[in-house]
Amino acid sequence: QVQLQQWGAGLLKPSETLSLICGVYGGSFSGYYWSWIRQSPGKGLEWIGEINNSGRSNYNPSLKSRVTISIDASKNQFSLKLSSVTAADTAVYYCARAGFYLPAATLDYWGQGTLVTVSS
Amino acid sequence: DIQMTQSPSTLSASVGDRVTITCRASQSIGNWLAWYQQKPGTAPKLLISKASSLESGVPSRFSGSGSETEFTLTISSLQPDDFATYYCQQYNSDSITFGQGTRLEIK
Repeated sequence: QVQLQQWGAGLLKPSETLSLICGVYGGSFSGYYWSWIRQSPGKGLEWIGEINNSGRSNYNPSLKSRVTISIDASKNQFSLKLSSVTAADTAVYYCARAGFYLPAATLDYWGQGTLVTVSS
Repeated sequence: DIQMTQSPSTLSASVGDRVTITCRASQSIGNWLAWYQQKPGTAPKLLISKASSLESGVPSRFSGSGSETEFTLTISSLQPDDFATYYCQQYNSDSITFGQGTRLEIK
């Protein structure tokens, strides 16, 4: 059974960098794309981007300039960094498993979510 | 970007009702459309992929149809566990986008 567990700082000040890590337990790590999605309070879902174990990444164009997704295949982990955060970046951030050798696909396993609040 | 528009935004229904949620894409996406169910405080759950393919373990009362720009999610007989928010998601392009969600509430 595949499980994703995520962790990282939950409270940031404006202009700081958001940093989250997602660990993958069970199942295969290689071959899949691994994604980050966020959900602002009371709002819908926004895809942030993804990466595969070869390091190939795809990003949401609206966030691309501030986002870095990286991977550590030796630890079955991938991470998200979002720079220069503002209050508009306050959201629950999820990691998820995406397609098998297929970028920008469906998301079948999800982490538990991390609430990140940006406030001065 | 491909925009996804769901309707209605909120749907009130009773246990046993048949309900349909619509999702429209701003351009053709073939059948690269998924549906998710989300309950408060939890991550979304994948219900349907490729417009009509039911994921393992999802009850058969859920069904999906459509292609190109118009898609529907139907629940044939609502159960208490089905009251949640539903999202569509396109994955035709190299960037994923979601609909804004349909909240299914008890009448």
